[in-house]
Amino acid sequence: KAGVTQTPRYLIKTRGQQVTLSCSPISGHRSVSWYQQTPGQGLQFLFEYFSETQRNKGNFPGRFSGRQFSNSRSEMNVSTLELGDSALYLCASSFRPEENYGYTFGSGTRLTVV
Amino acid sequence: AQSVTQLDSHVSVSEGTPVLLRCNYSSSYSPSLFWYVQHPNKGLQLLLKYTSAATLVKGINGFEAEFKKSETSFHLTKPSAHMSDAAEYFCVVSDKGYSTLTFGKGTMLLVSP
Repeated sequence: KAGVTQTPRYLIKTRGQQVTLSCSPISGHRSVSWYQQTPGQGLQFLFEYFSETQRNKGNFPGRFSGRQFSNSRSEMNVSTLELGDSALYLCASSFRPEENYGYTFGSGTRLTVV
Repeated sequence: AQSVTQLDSHVSVSEGTPVLLRCNYSSSYSPSLFWYVQHPNKGLQLLLKYTSAATLVKGINGFEAEFKKSETSFHLTKPSAHMSDAAEYFCVVSDKGYSTLTFGKGTMLLVSP
């Protein structure tokens, strides 16, 4: 059974550019969440999608956005990149998280903004 | 609102000795609690989860955790540390009915030979 797949694994972007990260969940999982991990702030929740609808959103500026497709694959987009956006972005999928099935995480996309 | 406090940022043990990683939580509702492990340059792997069944939870690789409501704690233990256990460990809380995870700051476990 394939795990959660995130692409690309590494990205280097310039300030002011935009970036799109992709996440393919485990087959059958309809919930996809995104987290940002930095040394200073730790792991912070970005947003969660279920059946193409954003159900929850963390405390991030509007430059951070996401979407989910009908096959449950998800993308997140960051526009007007800032140096502080450099982080490991983790995607997680779950069958039904509110019933405590738990989340499976991908290996992450490491974004470096220069 | 929910929160998690991991009481130690670093824990050092010798191979073969017991491991104790401490976690306290705060939650408005009956929480679900998890421990995840992250090896260098890797994603997060679920070690174990508590979801209001047995208070003593057994996980993978010999780890276990005990849910103590009166102490609002969910400490992670292992009887005997292996070198391969060296990693960062995260205590995580999720309120029932919600799908967001709140992470602690992490505890780095160092294992010496």
